[in-house]
Amino acid sequence: ETGVTQTPRHLVMGMTNKKSLKCEQHLGHNAMYWYKQSAKKPLELMFVYNFKEQTENNSVPSRFSPECPNSSHLFLHLHTLQPEDSALYLCASSQEAVLGQGTGNTIYFGEGSWLTVV
Amino acid sequence: RKEVEQDPGPFNVPEGATVAFNCTYSNSASQSFFWYRQDCRKEPKLLMSVYSSGNEDGRFTAQLNRASQYISLLIRDSKLSDSATYLCVGGSDGQNFVFGPGTRLSVLP
Repeated sequence: ETGVTQTPRHLVMGMTNKKSLKCEQHLGHNAMYWYKQSAKKPLELMFVYNFKEQTENNSVPSRFSPECPNSSHLFLHLHTLQPEDSALYLCASSQEAVLGQGTGNTIYFGEGSWLTVV
Repeated sequence: RKEVEQDPGPFNVPEGATVAFNCTYSNSASQSFFWYRQDCRKEPKLLMSVYSSGNEDGRFTAQLNRASQYISLLIRDSKLSDSATYLCVGGSDGQNFVFGPGTRLSVLP
């Protein structure tokens, strides 16, 4: 079982739909992330939130809109997506948003949301 | 140059073999390193942290070579269940986690 839960696990949406991905972490962490993983591509960092504040937006198109109401919850709102946005979207959390020597700070992933845009 | 690089593989090895992967990093200030394992269609999971002096966890040994800026993962006595993609993660103080693209391992019966 995981301390980071994501819903839905699978989502099929049309290009004109609006949907949201939800993530909740039960680890008491302060930082949360959205990553995108496309077929045969490395993990792409999309957004970072630290203590509910967005600290990084990795040049993500505006059709992806994150929301972090508190340190335990993170949403990714999806609107007018393209077929090339089909991918595995992974939520993650860590104690802190950045690495620090000797802190043991590391990152834990949810099981992911498989998104297909048709 | 990408921050963290790995040979994508696949590495195809027989059961019982010893296999090693390297991961190079470009930021000489990087201090924290990890190895993650990702099974097909699953999320990455932490395998082990990498400490300066090197560390071992059962059949897995992680090493850090600061002079050449790489970390390594050695798997002894490979099992079929070790088949997965292995991701290295690096970064320095104040930096976000930086993932490598992963190395795919297939352990064959």
